[in-house]
Amino acid sequence: QVQLKESGPGLVQPSQTLSLTCTVSGFSLMDYSVHWVRQPPGKGLEWMGRMKYDGDTYYNSALKSRLSISRDTSKSQVFLKMNSLQTEDTAIYYCTLITTDYWGQGVMVTVSS
Amino acid sequence: DIQMTQSPASLSASLGETVSIECLASEDIYNNLAWYQQKPGKSPQLLIYYASSLQDGVPSRFSGSGSGTQYSLKINSLESEDAATYFCLQDSEYPNTFGAGTKLELK
Repeated sequence: QVQLKESGPGLVQPSQTLSLTCTVSGFSLMDYSVHWVRQPPGKGLEWMGRMKYDGDTYYNSALKSRLSISRDTSKSQVFLKMNSLQTEDTAIYYCTLITTDYWGQGVMVTVSS
Repeated sequence: DIQMTQSPASLSASLGETVSIECLASEDIYNNLAWYQQKPGKSPQLLIYYASSLQDGVPSRFSGSGSGTQYSLKINSLESEDAATYFCLQDSEYPNTFGAGTKLELK
């Protein structure tokens, strides 16, 4: 059974770094690509980036300078790190296999002092 | 980056009616277009992939069509459970991009 679950801090201070973990089960990270998508409260979806099954990464150009995605295949985990957070980064962050029905439940991250 | 222009932004319809939602891509996306439904507090759910393929378990009143740069989602015989926000997504090239969403309200 395919599952993805995001975890991380609910509150981050402005200018600090966000670190999120996506823990997956039911498949291997070496077989499927995992994407990160975020959604500010009451707004639309923004594709952030992806960790390809072969370890390659691709980032949204608007976030590229602040964003890093990595993985630990032995732990079935994909990591998102984004620095220099601002209030506009407040959002629900999802990890997903995208164009499938396999999405995490999302984790709400609030950027506030 | 490919821009996805989704319309309308909101829609109000009655039970039993048929509605359509459009997505226009800024360049040819070769049918690499998915439609999602999202209800408040929930993760998006895939309805349609590759422009017109119905995801398993999705009611047949949902259908997708289009090609090139123009795509649409049609919902026949609206039911109360269809009240939601709908998004399109192009995965033809990176970065993948979403439409802004269409909020469907049932009268």
